[in-house]
Amino acid sequence: AQKVTQAQTEISVVEKEDVTLDCVYETRDTTYYLFWYKQPPSGELVFLIRRNSFDEQNEISGRYSWNFQKSTSSFNFTITASQVVDSAVYFCALGGGYQKVTFGIGTKLQVIP
Amino acid sequence: EADIYQTPRYLVIGTGKKITLECSQTMGHDKMYWYQQDPGMELHLIHYSYGVNSTEKGDLSSESTVSRIRTEHFPLTLESARPSHTSQYLCARIGRRTDTQYFGPGTRLTVL
Repeated sequence: AQKVTQAQTEISVVEKEDVTLDCVYETRDTTYYLFWYKQPPSGELVFLIRRNSFDEQNEISGRYSWNFQKSTSSFNFTITASQVVDSAVYFCALGGGYQKVTFGIGTKLQVIP
Repeated sequence: EADIYQTPRYLVIGTGKKITLECSQTMGHDKMYWYQQDPGMELHLIHYSYGVNSTEKGDLSSESTVSRIRTEHFPLTLESARPSHTSQYLCARIGRRTDTQYFGPGTRLTVL
């Protein structure tokens, strides 16, 4: 069985602070994918990144960066110099065989001006 | 671009009504999914399809039904809506050369 744990249910930061969202996963699959999605107040889920289990390189995209560590089964997401527009619920997800995806419960991020 | 569409975006109806939520895509993707989500809460997979005439129930039991008569459309139907069906319903698809799910804008359903 697959499991995704996002231990932080809500985080508040002041604008321009850095913030890291934690994600820990469990799977017996040897090949799998990890994802992060953003859900702003409007409700749609926006895809941010996909990482496959063979690629442990960290990735940076503008103010966003992701740290994948297979040894600790973690796929953490850092926002540098946070902005009010970053306020949203962020979901970590794990995909295994047949592309069924298991989502975490989400972390609600509030960036205060 | 997600190129997946859902209508209506918002729906308020009375108890007992039959409703159909539309989900469509124009790129011929085979794999499509329906999720149910209460505001700000986790997503629950309720139905999925791997192609025409293929539908399966997801992890969360749902009173809704789906059909996949054409590749482009994956509608979800509630024969008799109840207040417990009030939720957001999100449709997603996976492209041919990727394992990433892309989501439509969602339908927010309120049953009075």
